[in-house]
Amino acid sequence: EDQVTQSPEALRLQEGESSSLNCSYTVSGLRGLFWYRQDPGKGPEFLFTLYSAGEEKEKERLKATLTKKESFLHITAPKPEDSATYLCAVRQAKAGGTSYGKLTFGQGTILTVHP
Amino acid sequence: DADVTQTPRNRITKTGKRIMLECSQTKGHDRMYWYRQDPGLGLRLIYYSFDVKDINKGEISDGYSVSRQAQAKFSLSLESAIPNQTALYFCATSDFNSDEQYFGPGTRLTVT
Repeated sequence: EDQVTQSPEALRLQEGESSSLNCSYTVSGLRGLFWYRQDPGKGPEFLFTLYSAGEEKEKERLKATLTKKESFLHITAPKPEDSATYLCAVRQAKAGGTSYGKLTFGQGTILTVHP
Repeated sequence: DADVTQTPRNRITKTGKRIMLECSQTKGHDRMYWYRQDPGLGLRLIYYSFDVKDINKGEISDGYSVSRQAQAKFSLSLESAIPNQTALYFCATSDFNSDEQYFGPGTRLTVT
């Protein structure tokens, strides 16, 4: 069964204190790994897609990396506005034809950045 | 205006009532999805639709039904609401050749 585990569940940082969020996964045939940001009372907002081990993507203070077993979301010099819940999701390879590759979400990491 | 809208944003209903949650999108995407989010369980897929004539069950479809009225509209119905259907419900869309999903603002549903 596909599983996605995010750690830590919650992370508190001081402004400027860099850190990383972890997403460990087991999936039969990875089709893609996704990172989303979710603010309170809002829907998830797409950040990155990673497809193969070794791939990296960056956006402002965020950098996502991927290995065969896990992904990291690195946050460099965070600001209070980076406070949010960060969700990781994996998609398995399609079983065949036009069937939809199931997307499995982790439970999220709640990031709080204090000024 | 938001690309993906959901109505209502909040709803309190009683056990046994039938309710409908609606989703509209202006992104021109073919694919639409309904998820529910529960604390500690993450987002789980209820139903998805790749076009008006293509509707599929997700991992937790029992107790729910959907209707794809047009490319831009996808509604979720609870035929007879029960308390364990209390959750946040999200609609999402994606283009046929993209893995990115765009989520609506959510509907907070409480069943008493």
